[in-house]
Amino acid sequence: GQNIDQPTEMTATEGAIVQINCTYQTSGFNGLFWYQQHAGEAPTFLSYNVLDGLEEKGRFSSFLSRSKGYSYLLLKELQMKDSASYLCGDAGNMLTFGGGTRLMVKP
Amino acid sequence: DTEVTQTPKHLVMGMTNKKSLKCEQHMGHRAMYWYKQKAKKPPELMFVYSYEKLSINESVPSRFSPECPNSSLLNLHLHALQPEDSALYLCASSQGTSGSVSYEQYFGPGTRLTVT
Repeated sequence: GQNIDQPTEMTATEGAIVQINCTYQTSGFNGLFWYQQHAGEAPTFLSYNVLDGLEEKGRFSSFLSRSKGYSYLLLKELQMKDSASYLCGDAGNMLTFGGGTRLMVKP
Repeated sequence: DTEVTQTPKHLVMGMTNKKSLKCEQHMGHRAMYWYKQKAKKPPELMFVYSYEKLSINESVPSRFSPECPNSSLLNLHLHALQPEDSALYLCASSQGTSGSVSYEQYFGPGTRLTVT
């Protein structure tokens, strides 16, 4: 089975850097996804990590440590539009999401 | 075309009604999914179709009945729903499922369902 944990809510300031953590326990690991979901909208894909290390995509980076069952999403130069829920997801023959982290970016 | 479309956007139905949700994609994806999402909760997987065959049913009640007429279309037939079934129903697609690997999924905007 899968067990995915992430903080429920976080607050950060515009222009700052924020790190959203995700820990997982899974019987078979096939990679970890991060999705962004704005209120009332569909989730959109951000990143996928299957190997250890940091994957950078513009202002967003995602890190994975398989030995520690740990991932994080790093958001740099925060903008107001980054206020959203960030869903950590376990890839497999299905996509199991964690509870999501609601990020509020303040001016 | 990188869009997944869903109709209707909103649906209100009584507990004795029969209705259907529709989903369509033209990205050549061979896997399609139905998710249910309650307010302030993550999406929960209901069904997975891979190459037009139902590959995963996450123990969903029989009042929800999926159908995949072809690789571009996915329906969810609803019958005798309960008020607690009110939620956002999301459709998604991906290139395919290979073994136990799930690819990047593209989500539709969802159908907001209210059961009265």
